[in-house]
Amino acid sequence: AQKVTQAQTEISVVEKEDVTLDCVYETRDTTYYLFWYKQPPSGELVFLIRRNSFDEQNEISGRYSWNFQKSTSSFNFTITASQVVDSAVYFCALSEETSGSRLTFGEGTQLTVNP
Amino acid sequence: NAGVTQTPKFQVLKTGQSMTLQCAQDMNHEYMSWYRQDPGMGLRLIHYSVGAGITDQGEVPNGYNVSRSTTEDFPLRLLSAAPSQTSVYFCASSSRGVNTEAFFGQGTRLTVV
Repeated sequence: AQKVTQAQTEISVVEKEDVTLDCVYETRDTTYYLFWYKQPPSGELVFLIRRNSFDEQNEISGRYSWNFQKSTSSFNFTITASQVVDSAVYFCALSEETSGSRLTFGEGTQLTVNP
Repeated sequence: NAGVTQTPKFQVLKTGQSMTLQCAQDMNHEYMSWYRQDPGMGLRLIHYSVGAGITDQGEVPNGYNVSRSTTEDFPLRLLSAAPSQTSVYFCASSSRGVNTEAFFGQGTRLTVV
């Protein structure tokens, strides 16, 4: 069965620090997708990125970057030069080919960026 | 462009009462689902539907009922509310497929007293 683990429950940093959010997953499928969602204090869920199991290239989008390593079943998310507006709960999620569009979420990591 | 619309945003129920959370999407998505969010547990799948007339159970279906009579609507019914159902509920929709991004509603904060 699929599983996503975000071992960091809460992280607190000072503005401009770099921070990495860890995500470890378990799946028996060879075809799967990994996602990151952001949930700001207002409560909505915002899609950040999608990565398929055959593409291990790192992705960078502005201050955000993602490191996907199949060898360690990890899909970590790094925010460079964090800002107060990055304060949110971040969720990692997995969908498997055999499960179609069903998402399995991790527990979430509460990131607080202090000024 | 409304996306996924959930109503109500807040609700307080007494134990034993029933209610329906509404969810509608205007993106012609085949796949719709309901999740509940509890502290420290992430989002857990309650029920999902791959198209009109087709529904199935997720990880935590007990105490909830769904139906999908149209592509647009996917209501979630609480049959007899219990305090354990106090949670934030999210409806989501997506195109069918393992690689598709899910679009979420704004959420419903439900308190059962």
